[in-house]
Amino acid sequence: DAGVIQSPRHEVTEMGQEVTLRCKPISGHNSLFWYRQTMMRGLELLIYFNNNVPIDDSGMPEDRFSAKMPNASFSTLKIQPSEPRDSAVYFCASTLLGYGYTFGSGTRLTVV
Amino acid sequence: TQLLEQSPQFLSIQEGENLTVYCNSSSVFSSLQWYRQEPGEGPVLLVTVVTGGEVKKLKRLTFQFGDARKDSSLHITAAQPGDTGLYLCAGRGGDDKIIFGKGTRLHILP
Repeated sequence: DAGVIQSPRHEVTEMGQEVTLRCKPISGHNSLFWYRQTMMRGLELLIYFNNNVPIDDSGMPEDRFSAKMPNASFSTLKIQPSEPRDSAVYFCASTLLGYGYTFGSGTRLTVV
Repeated sequence: TQLLEQSPQFLSIQEGENLTVYCNSSSVFSSLQWYRQEPGEGPVLLVTVVTGGEVKKLKRLTFQFGDARKDSSLHITAAQPGDTGLYLCAGRGGDDKIIFGKGTRLHILP
């Protein structure tokens, strides 16, 4: 079991550029979550999918953020245009029964 | 809005000492989880507690869920340097969303 796989591990981009983060959940898991972690705010839920369908995106900061899950094995989180305040570590997590999440190693995003 | 408050925020103790960290809320949760996160990695699930008053042990770690399912504690006996990390509690609410506390950053001095 390779676990939840996220790419890239690190991303440095200039303000205004588009950023795409990728996630491959654990095979067989039916729910996928995107979180953002900062020192000030901790782990914040951005959006989650159940059976590839977005269920709750109330945590998405604004229209610059969008997420897709075209199939059970792949999801993307896109930021367009990116801003310095988007700098954070972005985690993807998946679960089957919802009682415990398996997290990826995260993508550390720096917007300069 | 459901909130989870963790205390203390930071804790630095000597190897061999005992410690307890807390996770409190005014909301009721259907289940509560504890995770440990190390630098550069995602949180790793340690335990899930479901029943009010439930106690679970994982080697030197003891987890307790409050009777009213609003709070939890994590007790570590004879702490070791390998216990160093960020400890996060997470509660599952009625809408099935899981929210996280900001964590307790634990440092065990050898």
